Amino acid sequence: DAGVTQSPTHLIKTRGQQVTLRCSPKSGHDTVSWYQQALGQGPQFIFQYYEEEERQRGNFPDRFSGHQFPNYSSELNVNALLLGDSALYLCASSLAQGAGYTFGSGTRLTVV
Amino acid sequence: AQRVTQPEKLLSVFKGAPVELKCNYSYSGSPELFWYVQYSRQRLQLLLRHISRESIKGFTADLNKGETSFHLKKPFAQEEDSAMYYCALTVGGTSYGKLTFGQGTILTVHP
Repeated sequence: DAGVTQSPTHLIKTRGQQVTLRCSPKSGHDTVSWYQQALGQGPQFIFQYYEEEERQRGNFPDRFSGHQFPNYSSELNVNALLLGDSALYLCASSLAQGAGYTFGSGTRLTVV
Repeated sequence: AQRVTQPEKLLSVFKGAPVELKCNYSYSGSPELFWYVQYSRQRLQLLLRHISRESIKGFTADLNKGETSFHLKKPFAQEEDSAMYYCALTVGGTSYGKLTFGQGTILTVHP
């Protein structure tokens, strides 16, 4: 079992552009959460998807949007990128019935 | 809103010494508390959770509701314990609830 898989591992984008990050959850998991981790900070919750719907959202602007597919994989989209969006983006999967989160290795996004 | 505070950004101890990583939280209800660890070049992983009351790799953590603390302790630190440690809480269940993390503590265990 590969656990949670995220792609790409690194990405460089220009301010104003749009980016899509991808996440495949651990086998058997049906819930996907996204976190943003700025340098030197703890991860911050962006949103969570379950049954292809956004179930919970953190304090992030509408520029951040997501999607979950029928196979439980998920995408995080960020529009109109700002320099401050530079961070490590973590995906975590879990079972809706409990048992905790499994984290991916993250995607390092750099906005220049 | 809930908040997690880890007052020490860096903590250094020698091998065999006791170690305590501090964590304080603010939330008026009954949260679930966790410790996550990130070893060098590895992904974030769960170390322990308060509801299971277990000891993992010699680490224990007791939830003190009066002091709203969940400090992580180990009586004899090992070099392989060197890592980044995050305290986190969730409300509403481990899957339904978002995790709120502290800023993390870098633990270095010297030989």
